[in-house]
Amino acid sequence: GAVVSQHPSRVICKSGTSVKIECRSLDFQATTMFWYRQFPKQSLMLMATSNEGSKATYEQGVEKDKFLINHASLTLSTLTVTSAHPEDSSFYICSARGMGQGRRNEQFFGPGTRLTVL
Amino acid sequence: AQTVTQSQPEMSVQEAETVTLSCTYDTSESDYYLFWYKQPPSRQMILVIRQEAYKQQNATENRFSVNFQKAAKSFSLKISDSQLGDAAMYFCASRTGGGADGLTFGKGTHLIIQP
Repeated sequence: GAVVSQHPSRVICKSGTSVKIECRSLDFQATTMFWYRQFPKQSLMLMATSNEGSKATYEQGVEKDKFLINHASLTLSTLTVTSAHPEDSSFYICSARGMGQGRRNEQFFGPGTRLTVL
Repeated sequence: AQTVTQSQPEMSVQEAETVTLSCTYDTSESDYYLFWYKQPPSRQMILVIRQEAYKQQNATENRFSVNFQKAAKSFSLKISDSQLGDAAMYFCASRTGGGADGLTFGKGTHLIIQP
């Protein structure tokens, strides 16, 4: 159980276009989803926290108008990179926190999406 | 704010031997969790082990165990009987106890297993 999927797994786009990445919890309902960014050979950095039905909370330094997050249902959150530029090229990973797990509230990670902006 | 520090960019160990990966952290919270995650070349994050800060007993999961020194804010991972499949990036991470916050990760340690 506790499977999280991401789509697409990799995407290449032209500079100036927008790209949408989906994160789905397949076998559980996720009240909270998290979006991370990982540059090559670096660690994961939390970008934003998204709660179902409310606005996302962005970490300091992350442009909310650049990285649009929508958490429309308990199983789906989307990250849209608007007007993408080459410096947005990175590996984007989502995680989902299940409902009703109490304090342990483990986060389950998706397989990631590699974005390349030409 | 929480910070996590891994001072070993790379570690190497012979197959079947034991290796310890270091991690220190800093937090102003009294209620928090600590984790070790494994990231193989596939990039899928895999939870290795979890430690609740309020528990004094060190967590263990088969060949993986931690040495949690709360006063020193140290959280090292010991891998016993290292196997070739253990080769990966290992990230130490923390989060607050409520679970509403995302994880703060260290920079990672690249573990190499020598056959």
